[in-house]
Amino acid sequence: GNSVTQMEGPVTLSEEAFLTINCTYTATGYPSLFWYVQYPGEGLQLLLKATKADDKGSNKGFEATYRKETTSFHLEKGSVQVSDSAVYFCALSDAWGDSSYKLIFGSGTRLLVRP
Amino acid sequence: DADVTQTPRNRITKTGKRIMLECSQTKGHDRMYWYRQDPGLGLRLIYYSFDVKDINKGEISDGYSVSRQAQAKFSLSLESAIPNQTALYFCATRPDRNTDTQYFGPGTRLTVL
Repeated sequence: GNSVTQMEGPVTLSEEAFLTINCTYTATGYPSLFWYVQYPGEGLQLLLKATKADDKGSNKGFEATYRKETTSFHLEKGSVQVSDSAVYFCALSDAWGDSSYKLIFGSGTRLLVRP
Repeated sequence: DADVTQTPRNRITKTGKRIMLECSQTKGHDRMYWYRQDPGLGLRLIYYSFDVKDINKGEISDGYSVSRQAQAKFSLSLESAIPNQTALYFCATRPDRNTDTQYFGPGTRLTVL
């Protein structure tokens, strides 16, 4: 079945460092890919998405490119801030039946940014 | 005001008790979902609903039931809570059959002693 694999955390960085969180997926068909972010004590928020190969999703300085050849959707940011500390989830939409999209999540990666 | 709300935000209960978690949305979305989050496991789907007459089991529905009282309300019940149901529970909505993005509530932290 379809699945998502994320790098294990926690990832600890200093402010202004470059961030990469790896995400690879296994899927049949052409799923959409997502990054959701969960700030402490809050629910998940959509950070960015890409719907087809070579698409780049971007938001708040984060970006990720849908790479079908490597089945990857790595999250990057050029200069992290303390306020980026959160748990990041990679996910794909698994369409079946009558477009009954189900989100399949990775296990999440905790990012801690130190001043 | 938040578009997707969940009540309660935190709940501690004892083994064997019946618990109901509630979700309300003002987004006008047809589709609603319940997930649970466990450390290191991401989110797993419990139940989902396409409208008030259409409810479906997800991958981990055993021990849970749901009720879609209206388009805006979707409740999750634990008929007889057990400790391994201790988790963070999220409600989510999706606009329609052609949109794959889901929108999440703030979560309910449930502890079963």
